[in-house]
Amino acid sequence: AQRVTQPEKLLSVFKGAPVELKCNYSYSGSPELFWYVQYSRQRLQLLLRHISRESIKGFTADLNKGETSFHLKKPFAQEEDSAMYYCASHRHGSSNTGKLIFGQGTTLQVKP
Amino acid sequence: DTEVTQTPKHLVMGMTNKKSLKCEQHMGHRAMYWYKQKAKKPPELMFVYSYEKLSINESVPSRFSPECPNSSLLNLHLHALQPEDSALYLCASSHLGQVLHNSPLHFGNGTRLTVT
Repeated sequence: AQRVTQPEKLLSVFKGAPVELKCNYSYSGSPELFWYVQYSRQRLQLLLRHISRESIKGFTADLNKGETSFHLKKPFAQEEDSAMYYCASHRHGSSNTGKLIFGQGTTLQVKP
Repeated sequence: DTEVTQTPKHLVMGMTNKKSLKCEQHMGHRAMYWYKQKAKKPPELMFVYSYEKLSINESVPSRFSPECPNSSLLNLHLHALQPEDSALYLCASSHLGQVLHNSPLHFGNGTRLTVT
């Protein structure tokens, strides 16, 4: 079965420290992986996706098929990065819609 | 318009009531979704519509009845709900996926439902 695992419920760092939010997936095919973010009192929104290989708000994530991981990284955390982060996997299917499955989420708390 | 709009923002209903949640988007997306989110938990998929047809039902109880009257609107009709159905109900939309890659979802702000 398709699963996304985020082992940390809470990650607390000081401003300026590096951040790594972990995500592991289990899927036998070629997964599509995303990071979504939910800031306080705002809607859930896409942060980045693995096929784009881009950096958004200083965050990057690399798909590592050997380790089945898609960790989210930022070299220097900012207070405004404090939010709930969800790793999500979108399964390929024979139809052109699929299921977006979320990990349990990690709350990132950046302290001043 | 790049938003998914959900109404109402808050809803309180009794277990014998019938109510509906509404969702609207004008981004030309042909896939629309209902998710349920409990406090401090990730969203859980309920239904997926593709070209206004129901394509995925995640074994949701029949007291939840989705409807997609046209490509911009998605409704969720509620009847005889239980207190444990209290949650944030999220609507989302996306372009339909290509052969290799699926389009990201755009989420609404949600309707916070309380069943008394």
